[in-house]
Amino acid sequence: GNSVTQMEGPVTLSEEAFLTINCTYTATGYPSLFWYVQYPGEGLQLLLKATKADDKGSNKGFEATYRKETTSFHLEKGSVQVSDSAVYFCALRDQGGKLIFGQGTELSVKP
Amino acid sequence: DGGITQSPKYLFRKEGQNVTLSCEQNLNHDAMYWYRQDPGQGLRLIYYSQIVNDFQKGDIAEGYSVSREKKESFPLTVTSAQKNPTAFYLCASSPTTSGVQETQYFGPGTRLLVL
Repeated sequence: GNSVTQMEGPVTLSEEAFLTINCTYTATGYPSLFWYVQYPGEGLQLLLKATKADDKGSNKGFEATYRKETTSFHLEKGSVQVSDSAVYFCALRDQGGKLIFGQGTELSVKP
Repeated sequence: DGGITQSPKYLFRKEGQNVTLSCEQNLNHDAMYWYRQDPGQGLRLIYYSQIVNDFQKGDIAEGYSVSREKKESFPLTVTSAQKNPTAFYLCASSPTTSGVQETQYFGPGTRLLVL
């Protein structure tokens, strides 16, 4: 079946450090891929998405590239800020339109 | 402003009690969803509805019920049959293009606690 696996957290970084959060997936075909962000006590916000192989999604300095050869969609940011502290979820949309989520990765950025 | 609203923000349930969580959207989206989030875990799908007066079970529907009488509204009832209801509940909606659900957008969530 379809599944998403993310690197375990928490990830703790200093401000201005480089961020990578790994995400790999198992799916039939080529699903759309998403990164959502959840700030404490809030719902999920769409951060970026990619709908086909080699697409790069980007938003607010975050980027992720759809790699079908490695079935990956790793999230990166060149210089994190304290305000980026949140939980990040990788997800795929299956053929029925439902989202399948990873378990989430907590990011903590220290000043 | 268009968006998804959930109420209440916090809800307390007594043993044997049914409680209903509200979800309203003014985005004119056809599809709506309910998810459950437990600490340190991803989201799990409870129920979803692709169109008014129709809904389907998700992965963890036992102990929950829903209705979809209006396009804008998709309330979730947590029944007494749900033995472990303490969780954060998230509602989402998405537009539909040619029968395919597009990107999902989420509400702010309701935290349910058992007294």
